[in-house]
Parts: sequence; C-alpha cells; structure tokens
Amino acid sequence: AQSVTQLGSHVSVSEGALVLLRCNYSSSVPPYLFWYVQYPNQGLQLLLKYTSAATLVKGINGFEAEFKKSETSFHLTKPSAHMSDAAEYFCAVTYSSASKIIFGSGTRLSIRP
Amino acid sequence: GAVVSQHPSWVICKSGTSVKIECRSLDFQATTMFWYRQFPKQSLMLMATSNEGSKATYEQGVEKDKFLINHASLTLSTLTVTSAHPEDSSFYICSARGLAGGAGQETQYFGPGTRLLVL
Repeated sequence: AQSVTQLGSHVSVSEGALVLLRCNYSSSVPPYLFWYVQYPNQGLQLLLKYTSAATLVKGINGFEAEFKKSETSFHLTKPSAHMSDAAEYFCAVTYSSASKIIFGSGTRLSIRP
Repeated sequence: GAVVSQHPSWVICKSGTSVKIECRSLDFQATTMFWYRQFPKQSLMLMATSNEGSKATYEQGVEKDKFLINHASLTLSTLTVTSAHPEDSSFYICSARGLAGGAGQETQYFGPGTRLLVL
C-alpha cells in the first residue's frame, strides 16, 4: 500500500529564507508523487509532480522537489520564501495515473515578515 | 489548464435535510471522478471513486446510503448528503481524471471545494 508522511505540521520561515517541506513515501512499486498547495477556503492546486522521469522536478511559483529513492523522500524546496507562499501544502502519492491519490497530513507554511 | 467546477461553493442546511453537490469537468471528459472530505486543519480523505455509468466504489467506513454518488455523464458527478447532521459539516472536494489540454496521460484535477454547514 502507498502512503506519505509529512514531517512537521507547521513550518515557519522568514521572508526571503529557504523553504523546506519534508515528505517521505512508502510504496511497494515505483510511485508517482505530487505536491499540492491549498490556500484558505480553496481547493487544491498542483505545484509539481514526479512520474519517473527526471528526479529533480520544477514546479510553479519557484518550487521544486527532488525524488530520492535511497531516502524514500520527495522534499519540497523554494530558495526564497515570499509572503504569498503562506498556505497548506500536501504531499501525495499514487502508483499509476489510473489509481487513487493518497494524501499526507499536510504542512502549514507561515512566512514571517 | 483543465477546470473542474463545484456547485454550490458553500451551503448551510438544517439537520435532517438532504444536500446535493455538483462536480463538473468543464473542458474535458472525466473517465473517473473522486470525492474527498476535509475536516478543519486536516488532510483530504477519499470518500469514493466513481466511473461514468457505474456504481461508485466507497472507501472503508464511508456510508454509501448516506453519501449518494451519481456519475451521470463524462462531465458531471453529484454527491448527495442524505439526512444531513451537524457531524457531516465539512469541506467536500471533488476531483476529475481525464485527458485535458493535450496531456499525454490522464491527470487528476481538483475542484474548488464545497463547504457544508449543517445546523
């Protein structure tokens, strides 16, 4: 069975600082991995996805994530945080484009001025 | 990009009434639609998966008689919360999977969500 674990329910960084949101996955088959962002009272927006091509995936809004099989990780990073990045971030996994997506518990990102 | 809409965006109802939420894929045909539920400050929990023209597959612990799902066409799925109670108050998010915008493989797109408050 597939699952993802997000370390840290809340991360706070200063504006301009590095953003690092951690996600570890568990999958018995090669996974597809996703990062979604959710702003208050809104649905989900796809930031980026890994589907077994390049291990370093670039997404929207300056975010990127690196798939590390040896560490079973798919951490999300952004070099310089912006106030508009404050939101809830979800890591998710599936094992094919035809399968259901399983979400992590989410990490709330706060940005300090 | 592909658009999935939900209607209504929010609804308040009295306990005991039924509420219908619509999910539409606006610019692509959705072979499969998913319904999620999200409680405050929690993650999305998959409730059920539906394919057009067939019965929905419910996740363990989800009452199929309480949460009726109808996937009537390739662009429309509805979730009806029957005899709603305050504990059903939640944020309901639908998702539609299909080929959109020239994508080479099917992708899952999420709707904006419907907030339900049962008094």
